[in-house]
This record gives sequence, C-alpha cells and structure tokens, in this order.
Amino acid sequence: GAVVSQHPSRVICKSGTSVKIECRSLDFQATTMFWYRQFPKQSLMLMATSNEGSKATYEQGVEKDKFLINHASLTLSTLTVTSAHPEDSSFYICSARARQTNTVYEQYFGPGTRLTVT
Amino acid sequence: RKEVEQDPGPFNVPEGATVAFNCTYSNSASQSFFWYRQDCRKEPKLLMSVYSSGNEDGRFTAQLNRASQYISLLIRDSKLSDSATYLCVVNPWTGGFKTIFGAGTRLFVKA
Repeated sequence: GAVVSQHPSRVICKSGTSVKIECRSLDFQATTMFWYRQFPKQSLMLMATSNEGSKATYEQGVEKDKFLINHASLTLSTLTVTSAHPEDSSFYICSARARQTNTVYEQYFGPGTRLTVT
Repeated sequence: RKEVEQDPGPFNVPEGATVAFNCTYSNSASQSFFWYRQDCRKEPKLLMSVYSSGNEDGRFTAQLNRASQYISLLIRDSKLSDSATYLCVVNPWTGGFKTIFGAGTRLFVKA
C-alpha cells in the first residue's frame, strides 16, 4: 500500500505555544488530504479536508483560526495548532487519498502525532 | 440515523473462532467501501476494499449488499493478533470526497 509519513510522532508543548505537524505522501501524489483527531477510546473525528492549492474545508465545530492547514503541494500538508491548550492534547492523524480507479479512492493514514499540552 | 453504523462491541472470541462484523450505511449512492483495522494507540490501516462481487484475502472475506446497504467482514480461524478495532469505511461519490468512518467494533481474541 501507499505510504504516508507524519512528523513529529510525539510532541509535548507548553500551553500557549504553537505546534506544527507535517504529513507527507511518500510514493504517490495526494490531491486530497484529511486531518483527524482521536481522543482515547473514541472514534476518529474528521477535522478538515484539504485539497492542494486551495483552502481547507473545516468540519463544524473546528476552529479554522486555531487549526491552520496548509496543503502546499501534492505530497505535503501541514497542520498548525496555534495557542495550544491542554484540551488540545490528542492523537492527530493525517490521511491522504490515492486514486485506484476512476471511482475508487483508497485512503492511507500517517502514523499519527501524539500531542500533549502541559 | 448515523451515516455509517457498526455492530456495537466488544466481541470476545476464542482463538480459532469465526467472527462476523456487519456495517450499514445510509447513503444509497455510496461508491466504495473498505474495512480498516486500528490497533490501540496506532493509526488505522487498510485491511481490504470491498467490491460488489465480494472479495477474500486469506482468512478475511468481505461482502457488499447494495440492495440492503450493508457490508460485512468475516474472519475465520481467529488469531490472537486479530485483536483490534475494525472500522467500516464508506466513500460517497460526492464533490467533497468525504470519507465516512464507522465508530468501530473492538475484537478481543483470547487463547
């Protein structure tokens, strides 16, 4: 399957600081990337969908000024958590869509970034 | 009604058992379907795509029933290593290309 990398894998930061997470599709071009958040023992929650070269589409309840997404190229998307607070502590997972056929797209996930805000 | 609904878990089965997961989806126009597996504190990994004709990969068999809008995953001869959360995923063919995830069903396989 296709490979998606994510960096860093773990980050601990102080409240009020900003954290940037990178997501890269290593062996394919991803026109669409997704950012998810997952709290312990809960489902994945889609935060936003980003298409290369355009503004991200945020899900209801997700603050776009707090979670800045930049999809700079077909292989790179970044998520910046600005002015982080302890309640932002979570497992952040990116995903990239790879086209298999004209109608079937498979989605591959990065290994996730565990963010802890102290 | 949720867009994608899965069997509530957890499922506790002995090694060697056969276990089946069901998943229903509400959007009849949905185009593609998948099963993902997620281990504790790890990212989801694609287990298999689900095609109209059904597909099999070793001990795993996936079926799609478009008329009833459900997909299933059958695991035969369960192994301890099959313990994980299994996510049903539906990809509607919409302009937004938004993939819908089920809440997942937790499977525990015990010796």
